[in-house]
Amino acid sequence: RKEVEQDPGPFNVPEGATVAFNCTYSNSASQSFFWYRQDCRKEPKLLMSVYSSGNEDGRFTAQLNRASQYISLLIRDSKLSDSATYLCVVQYNFNKFYFGSGTKLNVKP
Amino acid sequence: DAMVIQNPRYQVTQFGKPVTLSCSQTLNHNVMYWYQQKSSQAPKLLFHYYDKDFNNEADTPDNFQSRRPNTSFCFLDIRSPGLGDAAMYLCATSRDLPGGEGETQYFGPGTRLLVL
Repeated sequence: RKEVEQDPGPFNVPEGATVAFNCTYSNSASQSFFWYRQDCRKEPKLLMSVYSSGNEDGRFTAQLNRASQYISLLIRDSKLSDSATYLCVVQYNFNKFYFGSGTKLNVKP
Repeated sequence: DAMVIQNPRYQVTQFGKPVTLSCSQTLNHNVMYWYQQKSSQAPKLLFHYYDKDFNNEADTPDNFQSRRPNTSFCFLDIRSPGLGDAAMYLCATSRDLPGGEGETQYFGPGTRLLVL
């Protein structure tokens, strides 16, 4: 079983749509959670950390459900520039970070 | 200003010819990582350094070695590259926090390795 699992997509949505991604993780001792964005042939870049209380950054909202061991990312009012692969990352065992294989988002005009 | 620098950005090597990829950081982070990422796959952790302590992943082939001569630099050595080692190699750093929580990682731009 993979440490972190994501729906690979792709999610094809029109501009202005709201889209949500989920990610599940297997280790209940996981301590920190993140969403990264990766553009084609580029390095991953931090989009946002995910806190137990949930957090919002502009059009992006992240939620954590420890009981069910999943995290989610909601993108409102999608822009063309949001097209990318979104990676779910879970940290436990001190310095080890585990990546999901990513969910691809295509925002179309 | 670049914080995690990887050189070269593109590397072409021949089957079986040793190759070294380099990573440097200006963040003074105590943890440095090497990941391998193949197309449409998750970055796969090869190993990481906590200061000078080397931590190898159990499934990292012996063909992959690493060196960290000081806080700022870390090298990935591939002793005998095979065709299956063609991938993007990502270096990352993070700052260890008390309590075991991990602060976010900062990634370099990656080195894309091609094996002929």
